[in-house]
Amino acid sequence: ELKVEQNPLFLSMQEGKNYTIYCNYSTTSDRLYWYRQDPGKSLESLFVLLSNGAVKQEGRLMASLDTKARLSTLHITAAVHDLSATYFCATSGSRLTFGEGTQLTVNP
Amino acid sequence: EPEVTQTPSHQVTQMGQEVILRCVPISNHLYFYWYRQILGQKVEFLVSFYNNEISEKSEIFDDQFSVERPDGSNFTLKIRSTKLEDSAMYFCASRGNRHFLEAFFGQGTRLTVV
Repeated sequence: ELKVEQNPLFLSMQEGKNYTIYCNYSTTSDRLYWYRQDPGKSLESLFVLLSNGAVKQEGRLMASLDTKARLSTLHITAAVHDLSATYFCATSGSRLTFGEGTQLTVNP
Repeated sequence: EPEVTQTPSHQVTQMGQEVILRCVPISNHLYFYWYRQILGQKVEFLVSFYNNEISEKSEIFDDQFSVERPDGSNFTLKIRSTKLEDSAMYFCASRGNRHFLEAFFGQGTRLTVV
């Protein structure tokens, strides 16, 4: 059974700081996704990572994928309050399998 | 921009009642999914649907659940006899084709069973 584990599950950080969210998955997967979810809202696609060594950046967020280690990271640079949300990673075979989510709070 | 739309946004129902959650996937998409998210928990896969039949379902998707694509645009999830533990946010998603990378999610239906 495919398992996807994120850590930390809760992250409180100050504006301007950097931090990394980790996503480990248990079996080989051909794609890794990162989604953002605001409270009571839907899932917004942030990144799709396709291959080993893939790195994608959008604003203050950068995602990377190491398929050999079965690890993806979401790095936050110089956090701002607007980044406060829950971030999910998910792997894909025939369906998406989500991690538990990381609830990020960015404090002024 | 094309989007997945779901109705209703919020449904309150009594335990034991049947509910139908509706979704309109993106028009040229071929793969359709239902996921659910119990409050504060992770997103769980329920079922995938392709070529007018279920292609995969999870252990959550028991005989109480069914899906249908009654016409060319709608994709529905029916829960026959709701239980308190069915209370959750239900998300519909669609994907273009086997090699199309992204699954696009609707805004969700919050189901509350009382």
